Amino acid sequence: QKEVEQNSGPLSVPEGAIASLNCTYSDRGSQSFFWYRQYSGKSPELIMFIYSNGDKEDGRFTAQLNKASQYVSLLIRDSQPSDSATYLCAAGVTGGGNKLTFGTGTQLKVEL
Amino acid sequence: DGGITQSPKYLFRKEGQNVTLSCEQNLNHDAMYWYRQDPGQGLRLIYYSQIVNDFQKGDIAEGYSVSREKKESFPLTVTSAQKNPTAFYLCASSIGTYYEQYFGPGTRLTVT
Repeated sequence: QKEVEQNSGPLSVPEGAIASLNCTYSDRGSQSFFWYRQYSGKSPELIMFIYSNGDKEDGRFTAQLNKASQYVSLLIRDSQPSDSATYLCAAGVTGGGNKLTFGTGTQLKVEL
Repeated sequence: DGGITQSPKYLFRKEGQNVTLSCEQNLNHDAMYWYRQDPGQGLRLIYYSQIVNDFQKGDIAEGYSVSREKKESFPLTVTSAQKNPTAFYLCASSIGTYYEQYFGPGTRLTVT
């Protein structure tokens, strides 16, 4: 069973700080990686996706991928209370026709 | 407005009854997916469809059935054979294989 591991948290950061969320995956053949934000009681919302090693930036968000270490991270700069949510990491399944394996999520709390 | 709609938002059923959850998208996406989410667990794939009139079982298909007669629609039936049907059900779509998935608002099903 291919797995995606995340620390469940909660991860608490002060407002304005950088939040760093981490994820490891076991399927060495995974080629696509996604970060979703999920507010309590709501559905997941796509934040970032990354396919190549290195960094990808979009506004306050940066996704980082290291395929050699099988590690994906999401950095949130200038964290705001509205960023408080659960962040889900997902990895594409090798040969799975766009099947994704999801982690259980990391709860982020941004404190005033 | 383009998007994915799921109805109803909340659904209550008695044990032993079949129930059908609706999922419609007007994004012109080829692929559609059904997941369930339980507290403390990652999203688990029930069924997915990459083209009209074709679908594949996901990781937890037992007790569920689907159809894909139109590109826009991918209804999920939760049958009485599903042992633990109470969950948050999420429909997603993507433009095609290996592309990012977007989620609908979800249906929260409670079976008593």
